[in-house]
Amino acid sequence: QSALTQPPSASGSPGQSVSISCTGTSSDVGGYDLVSWYQQHPGKAPKLIIYDVNKRPSGVPDRFSGSKSANTASLTVSGLQVEDEADYFCCSFAGNNNLFGGGTKLTVL
Amino acid sequence: QLQLQESGPGLVKPSETLSLTCTVSGGSVSGYSFYWGWIRQSPATGLEWIGSIPYSGTTYYSPSLKRRVTISLDTSKNHFSLQLTSVTAADTAIYYCARGPKVAPGAFDHWGQGLLVTV
Repeated sequence: QSALTQPPSASGSPGQSVSISCTGTSSDVGGYDLVSWYQQHPGKAPKLIIYDVNKRPSGVPDRFSGSKSANTASLTVSGLQVEDEADYFCCSFAGNNNLFGGGTKLTVL
Repeated sequence: QLQLQESGPGLVKPSETLSLTCTVSGGSVSGYSFYWGWIRQSPATGLEWIGSIPYSGTTYYSPSLKRRVTISLDTSKNHFSLQLTSVTAADTAIYYCARGPKVAPGAFDHWGQGLLVTV
């Protein structure tokens, strides 16, 4: 099973919205509503920001939202803030595996 | 507050066995609500799920690593461990331990700080 596909980079200005895609197959993203998203700042461990496609853990701002259509999941960050600049990774349950995306570096211009 | 801390050697020789421990504080590894897992990250392969173990002791391993991986749980010491045999340079990575709710596979909500292991 291959890793999920994410764009290597994304960018936006403060206050804008940006979306990051995560494409898999019917065996992973499309087969289960079990997609999660992680934010990782340099030198830090990943932080869970979305699980089960569109649920936010306690303490995660509602500027972060998730969705899914067929084999592609998306993370949208609204009202971009400087501190949102980080790497973002998707992850999908895949039956006997948990697959990660290659990561997207989000730059806040 | 739940905290996880990886420990073990930072340097392992090729063909030997990598052994890491994750000590849990502020919570218990006992209980049926969570998985305890290992994930690694390298520039070459990105984030990679290695495997998970719930309190029941049933283990779940990445298909690509399952022949070399063993994860175990020690409730008396409140920690869980990873063994990866026959390591090569490709196993060089930051190794993270993490907790995930059983109702949301793949969603790890607490992570250790990570431990760089070089082969």
